[in-house]
Amino acid sequence: NAGVTQTPKFQVLKTGQSMTLQCAQDMNHNSMYWYRQDPGMGLRLIYYSASEGTTDKGEVPNGYNVSRLNKREFSLRLESAAPSQTSVYFCASRETNWDTEAFFGQGTRLTVV
Amino acid sequence: EDKVVQSPLSLVVHEGDTVTLNCSYEVTNFRSLLWYKQEKKAPTFLFMLTSSGIEKKSGRLSSILDKKELFSILNITATQTGDSAVYLCARGSNYKLTFGKGTLLTVNP
Repeated sequence: NAGVTQTPKFQVLKTGQSMTLQCAQDMNHNSMYWYRQDPGMGLRLIYYSASEGTTDKGEVPNGYNVSRLNKREFSLRLESAAPSQTSVYFCASRETNWDTEAFFGQGTRLTVV
Repeated sequence: EDKVVQSPLSLVVHEGDTVTLNCSYEVTNFRSLLWYKQEKKAPTFLFMLTSSGIEKKSGRLSSILDKKELFSILNITATQTGDSAVYLCARGSNYKLTFGKGTLLTVNP
């Protein structure tokens, strides 16, 4: 079982560059999430998608865009990277029609220089 | 609001000690409370709580939810060095999953 697959694992960007983080789940979950994790800050919600075709802002959406391409895939785009976006990014999915645990990808360590 | 507050933010104990980690949350649209353990990689699931007063247990770990007072606790008995980690709690509402800042637990030999 692959679960949640997140790519890439590591990335270094220059300020102003753009990139897309990819996330795919094979558990047929309706809801998907993007979080960032900085030291001492827990997991902060960037965007989430309650179901295919819908997306909503979380706590820290500025500087990011998302696409829920289909039920399996939820991508996160940085249009113009800034050093403040240096972080570890996690994608997660869960079934919210009846509550389940959230399953996480392995994370992407992004450095913006 | 979706606020989740964990305490303490960090804790240092000796092997064999018992620890209690706290998580309080806001009530709006509350559906579930989840606990995770994180050791330098992706969080791993511990418990999901939806009903008040029912303890969930797994080995030396246990957790309970109080929906009247809006908090949950995670207990770890007879701690081991392998319990050293960040413990995260999360509040599930209609579709959102909001995490607290976590408690950094260090267990010294």
